[in-house]
Amino acid sequence: DTEVTQTPKHLVMGMTNKKSLKCEQHMGHRAMYWYKQKAKKPPELMFVYSYEKLSINESVPSRFSPECPNSSLLNLHLHALQPEDSALYLCASSQDTAGLAGGFLGTGELFFGEGSRLTVL
Amino acid sequence: GEDVEQSLFLSVREGDSSVINCTYTDSSSTYLYWYKQEPGAGLQLLTYIFSNMDMKQDQRLTVLLNKKDKHLSLRIADTQTGDSAIYFCAGGAAGGTSYGKLTFGQGTILTVHP
Repeated sequence: DTEVTQTPKHLVMGMTNKKSLKCEQHMGHRAMYWYKQKAKKPPELMFVYSYEKLSINESVPSRFSPECPNSSLLNLHLHALQPEDSALYLCASSQDTAGLAGGFLGTGELFFGEGSRLTVL
Repeated sequence: GEDVEQSLFLSVREGDSSVINCTYTDSSSTYLYWYKQEPGAGLQLLTYIFSNMDMKQDQRLTVLLNKKDKHLSLRIADTQTGDSAIYFCAGGAAGGTSYGKLTFGQGTILTVHP
């Protein structure tokens, strides 16, 4: 299984709603990521989890709250979003982060899900 | 930090070769990647090259790396209409807290005409 599965594929929410995006992988990867992508732009890193601990937060507003319940799952909780937060949210995973494992492992490639397209009204 | 630049558009005829170029600033990038993104889809890893390599070939794909000029290219031989997509180059470091933290170029929109 080399897939990263994201649900839902599409989400429409109002600015007062609370919703969550979910991501799952069964490749035994210990690093998981959230990226945000606007139309025809490159993905922008939001969060990195390594061994279920948050290791990078790229100054993301607190209305986005990540959660890593276990090594296979990654959630992104959304609350009080703004229309400008409408985008494609991509989850990715990679084999490891070398900082914790010690030494270098793998080739660092990220495996991406198909994304969750979020529209905030 | 890393800065990665790509030309924004490329248009070719079916059957021709496509060459997508990328320049990067951070020489500590250990790996350089090419991702493909079709409309409405996620990113698909096409190929990668280690920074100690000059060239890598994988079926119709050839990656060339010029470390001196910090220039990376992706050549697609016999380009097909199914190759029409956005192509992102990305750089990543080998270790420490930057591992897995990729910096993406702006993406090149490849259009293949029949």
